[in-house]
Amino acid sequence: EVVMTQSPATLSVSPGERATLSCRASQSVSSNLAWYQQKPGQAPRLLIYGASTRATGIPARFSGSGSGTEFTLTISSLQSEDFAVYYCQQYDYWPTFGQGTKVDI
Amino acid sequence: EVQLVESGGGLVQPGRSLRLSCAASGFTFDDYAMHWVRQGPGKGLEWVSGISWDSGSIGYGDSVKGRFTISRDNAKNSLYLQMSSLRAEDMALYYCAKGSESYVQGGMDVWGQGTTVTVSS
Repeated sequence: EVVMTQSPATLSVSPGERATLSCRASQSVSSNLAWYQQKPGQAPRLLIYGASTRATGIPARFSGSGSGTEFTLTISSLQSEDFAVYYCQQYDYWPTFGQGTKVDI
Repeated sequence: EVQLVESGGGLVQPGRSLRLSCAASGFTFDDYAMHWVRQGPGKGLEWVSGISWDSGSIGYGDSVKGRFTISRDNAKNSLYLQMSSLRAEDMALYYCAKGSESYVQGGMDVWGQGTTVTVSS
């Protein structure tokens, strides 16, 4: 099983600031990585796939980068609606998720 | 509108079985892989199982292997999860998710609202 490790567990930022979230895979997953956003009481929403491609309807302030074992999700200027939990997921093998990063104020 | 609606959750005793269903609409169901993902109370996401478009490739997370069985009926646009030998640690909100590809190795681009499974005596 590929273990996905996200850091930090919690990221405290102010609206308008930049947020950088990290995700590390226990072995190379190439670019087969997705990012999801989950707000309280809601289902997850796909943000990024292929490590860097935004899903349909996702604002340009969300960007993904990386390949192999190191990946980053960047939110360039945090809006109030971006405060949520973010998960990475690899799909190079049977899918596995990271434990999540909570972005709060 | 693309939609996934889960059903079948409820209260079940440890060691018993339960079958979850997911009804899909708004897309060509048999073009895509489908997944079950669960989330325990206050916990993160855990991939449970996935099935390719033609049921030719099926995978399970380590924690459910040998106890859960995924299946699909493309004629009925439906996904299923047969859960047996249920344990307290299986208690969670179970999401049905549409794969973004026809095979299991892909992202998940549409999610249902989930069905809750409670395991307790």
